[in-house]
Amino acid sequence: SYELTQSPSVSVSPGQTARITCSGDALPKKYAYWYQLKSGQAPALVIHEDSKRPSGIPERFSGSSSGTVATLTISGAQVDDEADYYCYSADRSGNYGVFGGGTKLTVL
Amino acid sequence: EVQLVQSGAEVKKPGESLKISCKGSGYSFTTYWIGWVRQMPGKGLEWMGIIYPGDSDTRYSPSFQGQVTISADKSISTAYLQCSSLKASDTAMYYCARRSNSSGAIDCWGQGTLVTVSS
Repeated sequence: SYELTQSPSVSVSPGQTARITCSGDALPKKYAYWYQLKSGQAPALVIHEDSKRPSGIPERFSGSSSGTVATLTISGAQVDDEADYYCYSADRSGNYGVFGGGTKLTVL
Repeated sequence: EVQLVQSGAEVKKPGESLKISCKGSGYSFTTYWIGWVRQMPGKGLEWMGIIYPGDSDTRYSPSFQGQVTISADKSISTAYLQCSSLKASDTAMYYCARRSNSSGAIDCWGQGTLVTVSS
């Protein structure tokens, strides 16, 4: 079955840029979405359709996609951005969705 | 306000079956896909499947095909996730989620239903 691959963890100091990648064979044809998951909370959408930011999401969150790799960038990461981040997309047929394995972002 | 409200936490014994619900409000329930997502303790999000309540078109992730049943009752704006022959490994948080028709994103999540399977 289709898989999206993320690195397990990323660590940055406050104010630095964090980049989280997601790779999948269908990403050239399917949008990537990014979700932030904090303990005890439902996931929050931070990027949709590769690079669009929902209202209310800080400008430091941005997304891009090139070939088989989608990237979530947090410019000037803050301690409050510490969370697990999941990419989400669809398989080539569009019949079902897939989450990446998640990336734990540490900001300290 | 768009809301998905899930049924409460469940404690089950191995071998028992389970049916959890997800009631949508604040939007046209029949015209948005509703999906189910599992998060096992300490693990990541897993996409289980999705249903279009308007015509009950249902798609399952290959990992969950045959393992769960997703259904919907549009008369009461409620989607369901059914699991039978529960195992301890089914212990997880289960979320329902609405998929946006415009962006394809999951734009609304239920609060989650914690299912514990233990003898």
